Amino acid sequence: QVQLRESGPGLVKPLETLSLTCTVSGDSVISGLNYWSWIRQPPGKGLEWIAYIFYTGNTNHNPSLKSRITVSIDTSKNHFSLNLSSVTAADTAVYFCARGAYSGTYYFDYWGQGNLVTVSS
Amino acid sequence: DIQMTQSPSSLSASVGDRVSITCRASQSISTSLNWYQQKPGKAPNLLIYGASSLQIGVPSRFSGSGSGTDFTLTISSLQLEDFATYYCQQSDSTPLTFGGGTNVKIK
Repeated sequence: QVQLRESGPGLVKPLETLSLTCTVSGDSVISGLNYWSWIRQPPGKGLEWIAYIFYTGNTNHNPSLKSRITVSIDTSKNHFSLNLSSVTAADTAVYFCARGAYSGTYYFDYWGQGNLVTVSS
Repeated sequence: DIQMTQSPSSLSASVGDRVSITCRASQSISTSLNWYQQKPGKAPNLLIYGASSLQIGVPSRFSGSGSGTDFTLTISSLQLEDFATYYCQQSDSTPLTFGGGTNVKIK
């Protein structure tokens, strides 16, 4: 059974960097056409895609977050990570990691349970 | 960016009702459309991918249709466990985008 689990602090100060890691079990991050993604959801609001990364290190990210995003992958530890710099209160959200699988099109078939990150001093 | 517009934003229905939710893309996305169900405090759960393919383990009362810009998620006979929020998502091009959600409530 594929499982993803986010880990990281629940509270980040304004203008600091939010760092989260997603550990994958039951699958290898080096697996075919899959990509590994971050998605967030502000309290009471909808879903926003942040970025994804392939095991090769190729990435794609949401331009709305401009140059604040860094995503990386560690195939030896079977995990991938998100750094979001210069955070503000608008970055307060539940952050999910998810697997992007491919069968004619990409879709998110496995998700982590979510990690609530609050930006506050 | 491709904008995804869901309607209605909320609806009230009874157990046993047939429910349909629509999703419109701002440009053609062929069949690169996925549907998710989300319950409070939980991660979204994939229901339908590629506009009409049922994810393994999802009950057959859920179905999806459409192509191009207009898509529909149908629940043929609403069950208690189906009261939740539903999101569409396009995977045609980045940035990947979600609809605003449809909250299905008990009448």
